[in-house]
Parts: sequence; C-alpha cells; structure tokens
Amino acid sequence: EVQLVESGGGLVKPGSSLKLSCVASGFTFSSYGMHWIRQAPKKGLEWIALIYYDSSNKYYADSVKGRFTISRDNSKNTLYLEMNSLRSEDTAMYYCAKVGVGLFDYWGQGVMVTVSS
Amino acid sequence: DVVMTQTPPSLSVAIGQSVSISCKSSQSLVASDKNTYLNWLLQSPGRSPKRLIYQVSKLDSGVPDRFSGSGSEKDFTLKISRVEAEDLGVYYCLQGTHLPNTFGAGTKLELK
Repeated sequence: EVQLVESGGGLVKPGSSLKLSCVASGFTFSSYGMHWIRQAPKKGLEWIALIYYDSSNKYYADSVKGRFTISRDNSKNTLYLEMNSLRSEDTAMYYCAKVGVGLFDYWGQGVMVTVSS
Repeated sequence: DVVMTQTPPSLSVAIGQSVSISCKSSQSLVASDKNTYLNWLLQSPGRSPKRLIYQVSKLDSGVPDRFSGSGSEKDFTLKISRVEAEDLGVYYCLQGTHLPNTFGAGTKLELK
C-alpha cells in the first residue's frame, strides 16, 4: 500500500525557516517524481514544486521560487521542502504527492504550516 | 500559466441524482506524448485530496463506475450518476500537462 506521511510543520514567525519531510513507502520511491502542493485555509489547491525521480530537474511556482527548495534522499525514501523567508501568505496545509500514471496518483495526509507573529 | 475554469462553484443534490461538473482550460491539454493530463480529484471534508480520474476518463482503482470523465483539448466534464452520501465534498480538476500545474477553483457538492 502506498503511503506518504508529511511532517515538520508548525507555527513560525514571518521571515523564519522550516523544513518539511514526506516519508514514502509501498513503492519504489527512487523511480518516481514527487510534487509539493499547498492549500491555504478555506482555499483551493496550489501546486508549488516538482522534483524528478533522480533530482535532475526541479520546478517551482513563481510564488515560492527563490525561497523554497525541493529535494529528496532516495536512500531514505524521503522528500523535503525547505522553506525560507516565510510570509503570512505561506500559511497552508502542505501535501506531497507522487508522480504516477497520469500524474498525482497518491497524496499524503498533509502537514500544517502557520506563519504568524 | 494555464487557467482552469471550473463550474459550477457549488451543487446542491439529492441522493440518487446525477450531476455534471465542467472544467475548461485556457490552453490545449494535449501533451507532446499525445496524452491529455487532466485529472479529477475529490477532497472529502477534513481529508486530503484523492484522485478519482486521470487522463480525462480513466478511473482510478476502487473508484465506482458511477463516476465518468469525458472531454478533449480544452473542455472537460466529470459526471456522477446516482450520487451517494460518500460523494460529498469538493471536486477539483487538475492539469498536469503544462508547468506550473494548475487546479480549478473547486466545486462543492452538498446534500439538498
């Protein structure tokens, strides 16, 4: 069974940093690209980053480019999202999702990040 | 960026009724590999999104055949026949053809 479990969220002040993790199981993690997607409270979904299976390519939404970094450690079956210079508008539930057949085939349960003074 | 225009924003339905949700993209979603990466997701209350349909019309494993997807190029539809209580929540279309990948604004399906 495919499982994606996010962690690392919390309450932080504007301008600070946070690193999210997504631990994968139930599939060969090193063979699949991975996404991060976020959802602000009571809002819709926003794609924010994609990393290829071998980290050869990384893509970001303009809203996070230059502040967020997606990475992965295939030996640990773990996806990361390093978030710097956090703003109040980054407050959201953050989901990781797997690039499978047709893309976005499995999603994690999400981790909440709150940016507030 | 590709804009996904999803309508209606909400639907009030009775159990057993059939409904349709529309999603229109600002650009063709046919990829260079000839596939069309248009997904439909359901976010049940308090849950993470779950994919129901991929590549326009292919049902994910375990998804009831009451759900169907259709469309091409820039115009797509999700149909739910005989709505059941477990179908309630917010439906999103999602295009995976072009980066940045983009979502529709969502359609909230509620009980009448």
